[in-house]
Amino acid sequence: NAGVTQTPKFRVLKTGQSMTLLCAQDMNHEYMYWYRQDPGMGLRLIHYSVGEGTTAKGEVPDGYNVSRLKKQNFLLGLESAAPSQTSVYFCASNPTGNAGELFFGEGSRLTVL
Amino acid sequence: GENVEQHPSTLSVQEGDSAVIKCTYSDSASNYFPWYKQELGKRPQLIIDIRSNVGEKKDQRIAVTLNKTAKHFSLHITETQPEDSAVYFCAASDFGNEKLTFGTGTRLTIIP
Repeated sequence: NAGVTQTPKFRVLKTGQSMTLLCAQDMNHEYMYWYRQDPGMGLRLIHYSVGEGTTAKGEVPDGYNVSRLKKQNFLLGLESAAPSQTSVYFCASNPTGNAGELFFGEGSRLTVL
Repeated sequence: GENVEQHPSTLSVQEGDSAVIKCTYSDSASNYFPWYKQELGKRPQLIIDIRSNVGEKKDQRIAVTLNKTAKHFSLHITETQPEDSAVYFCAASDFGNEKLTFGTGTRLTIIP
């Protein structure tokens, strides 16, 4: 039981390049989330999903797209990376949505030059 | 939407003393308040949570208090130890909401 796994763990991009972060969970959780963590700003929600085939915008969705084609996977895409997207990205899952523990992945550190 | 403010942003405490971190929230409908601990380079992990039907909850050296009237909640760590050094995040959500809103974090340093 691996829990929540993120790939890649580190990535350096040039401005304008695209990339996809993959989050996989093996706990059969319905809810999945993508957060970004920046110094002094805590964890801010980018997008989330309440089940397979669904996605919704969070607090800071601009510049990102997501897909949840399979229940266990939640993909975060950057179509045209910008330096402002340099951050640590955390995926999380939750069995019931609200009022329950979030299980986080180990994080993915993205640098955009 | 919900707004969560957290203070202080940094806190240094002598080993063995107590530490208190405070959060306020804006949405009176919020009724779930978890606290997460993030050690350096690691993922955030839930350490304790409280729901609005109780005013206080304890788990060994950790306690959380909630004042719904004033819309604030606090984390109390007693008899602090070096392994308590980490960043702590508070959060809030209401039962009808699928997502948590996090505070900006408190970096707690325990001085040996």
